[in-house]
Amino acid sequence: AQSVTQLDSQVPVFEEAPVELRCNYSSSVSVYLFWYVQYPNQGLQLLLKYLSGSTLVESINGFEAEFNKSQTSFHLRKPSVHISDTAEYFCAVSVTGGFKTIFGAGTRLFVKA
Amino acid sequence: DGGITQSPKYLFRKEGQNVTLSCEQNLNHDAMYWYRQDPGQGLRLIYYSQIVNDFQKGDIAEGYSVSREKKESFPLTVTSAQKNPTAFYLCASSIGWSRHRTYEQYFGPGTRLTVT
Repeated sequence: AQSVTQLDSQVPVFEEAPVELRCNYSSSVSVYLFWYVQYPNQGLQLLLKYLSGSTLVESINGFEAEFNKSQTSFHLRKPSVHISDTAEYFCAVSVTGGFKTIFGAGTRLFVKA
Repeated sequence: DGGITQSPKYLFRKEGQNVTLSCEQNLNHDAMYWYRQDPGQGLRLIYYSQIVNDFQKGDIAEGYSVSREKKESFPLTVTSAQKNPTAFYLCASSIGWSRHRTYEQYFGPGTRLTVT
């Protein structure tokens, strides 16, 4: 069975500072990995995804994540955060041909001025 | 504009009453899902449907029921048998299922249900 662990429940950071949100997964088979973002009282939006190919994936708003198979990790990074990045971020995993996606518990990113 | 709509955004009910949450999508997606979100617990799968007239229980189906009579609609009924119904409910859809890949899910804005 697959599982996802987000290592930090909350991450406070100052504006324009770098940030890393950590995600580790467990699976015995090939996986697809996702990061979703949720703003208050809204649904989730896909931020980026790893399906295959290059292990470094990027989003349009400056976030990137690197798939590390040996460490079973998919950490999310941004070199300089904005106030508007304040939200909850969910890491998720699904297996090839699988129908279910397993979500982590979420990391609340709080960007301070 | 293609997307998923959920209504209402906020719903209040008395204990012992059944309540139905609406979910409609115009993305022409085959698969639809219902999740429950509680603080600090991430998303938990209630039910999912791969195709019209077919649905499967997820991890926490007890006290819930669904139907999938139309491709674009997947309503969720929270019954009086659900012990802790107060939560944020999210509906999602994806293109479908393939043996060779997984498709990302698209989410609606959610319905916050409060039962007192």
